[in-house]
This record gives sequence, structure tokens and C-alpha cells, in this order.
Amino acid sequence: QKEVEQDPGPLSVPEGAIVSLNCTYSNSAFQYFMWYRQYSRKGPELLMYTYSSGNKEDGRFTAQVDKSSKYISLFIRDSQPSDSATYLCAMSAGTGGFKTIFGAGTRLFVKA
Amino acid sequence: DVKVTQSSRYLVKRTGEKVFLECVQDMDHENMFWYRQDPGLGLRLIYFSYDVKMKEKGDIPEGYSVSREKKERFSLILESASTNQTSMYLCASIRGAVSSYNSPLHFGNGTRLTVT
Repeated sequence: QKEVEQDPGPLSVPEGAIVSLNCTYSNSAFQYFMWYRQYSRKGPELLMYTYSSGNKEDGRFTAQVDKSSKYISLFIRDSQPSDSATYLCAMSAGTGGFKTIFGAGTRLFVKA
Repeated sequence: DVKVTQSSRYLVKRTGEKVFLECVQDMDHENMFWYRQDPGLGLRLIYFSYDVKMKEKGDIPEGYSVSREKKERFSLILESASTNQTSMYLCASIRGAVSSYNSPLHFGNGTRLTVT
């Protein structure tokens, strides 16, 4: 079983839709939870970062962490064609980027 | 703005060739990493380096080696390329030891390697 599970999609939605992206994990030691966005032919870039449980909002993006269920989500409101990308969840138990475990990534297409 | 530059976007090599993938970062980051990215598998860590001439194995080091002679440069070496090493290779760097919102992993744009 993988430490981090993420549905690879693809997920196709119309412009303006609310998008929900999710990951589950098995390691209860994870404390740092991240979402990276990767455009085609580009490297991943950090989109959202959450420490421990709770919600974090940044513009149209909301990240949620439920440690009791070992489940994290990224919500995108009023989705735009420019949101079309692969979204990777990532998590870490402690210090050091080398302990970051990535999900497989979900490909999202937002149709105009 | 942090820049991580990978020297090649696309490479095609033959089985058995020795392959060098080069990565340079311009922000004086201590830690550098090599990942490979495959559909359905996500990013998997091959090797990382926390200082010049220092290296540590990641999750999938078999068939690879690395070199870090200067702080800004981290090279991935495929000693004898095989078809199962066909993949997207991503280099990343980070300041310090803590991955945080103010200090995330910074990735290059990747090298797509095809071994025939």
C-alpha cells in the first residue's frame, strides 16, 4: 500500500465549477501537508501549505486537513481554464524536504 | 526569485550509454534533490544532497549515482542507461532543513529522458 493515495483522474469540469481534489494517507506521523500545482512541461510549484489539522484559505483555494481520517482536500472555487494543471498532494513528518512524500497527482481540465 | 535550471528538456539515449543530467540553482540552497516522475507513481526520490560532496540515497537509488562538487550544481548519473529509466527527471532545491510555506521545494522544469 502506498503511503499517499491520490486519484490520477483526469477530472474535467466546466468553467466556474467548484473542484474538489483529495488524498488519503497512512502515516499518522505526517504533520506538514502541501499542494503543488504542475502545468504542462513545467516543474511543480507550491500552491498551499498547512501544518497539522484545519483549514487554510487563499483566494479561490481552500486546503483542508482531517488528521483523524487521514484525509486532505483542496477546493477550487470558480474554477478557470488557467487552473488546468496536475495537482500533487505532498506531506511530510518533519524537517527536511527529503522526507516529503508525493501523491501521484490529479490531472484537472477546466473547460471554457 | 529562485531559479532551478536543468540543462536539457529532452534527451534520447541508447541502452548502455552513460547519461549525465545537470541541475543548477541560483539561491545558495543547501539541499538539492533528484526525483523521477512517472504516471500513476508520482514523484519518487532518487538521491539528495545536503552539502557539497555529501549525498544520501532516496527511495529508488538503484542504477543511479550523483555528484555535487559545487553548492549550486547537482548532477544525476545513469551509469548504464536501461529502458526502465525512461522517465521525467526533476531536480529540486530547498533552503535549510525545514520544508515550510516560506521555504518550499523549488523545482526545475524537468528533463524527459527516453532510453531506446
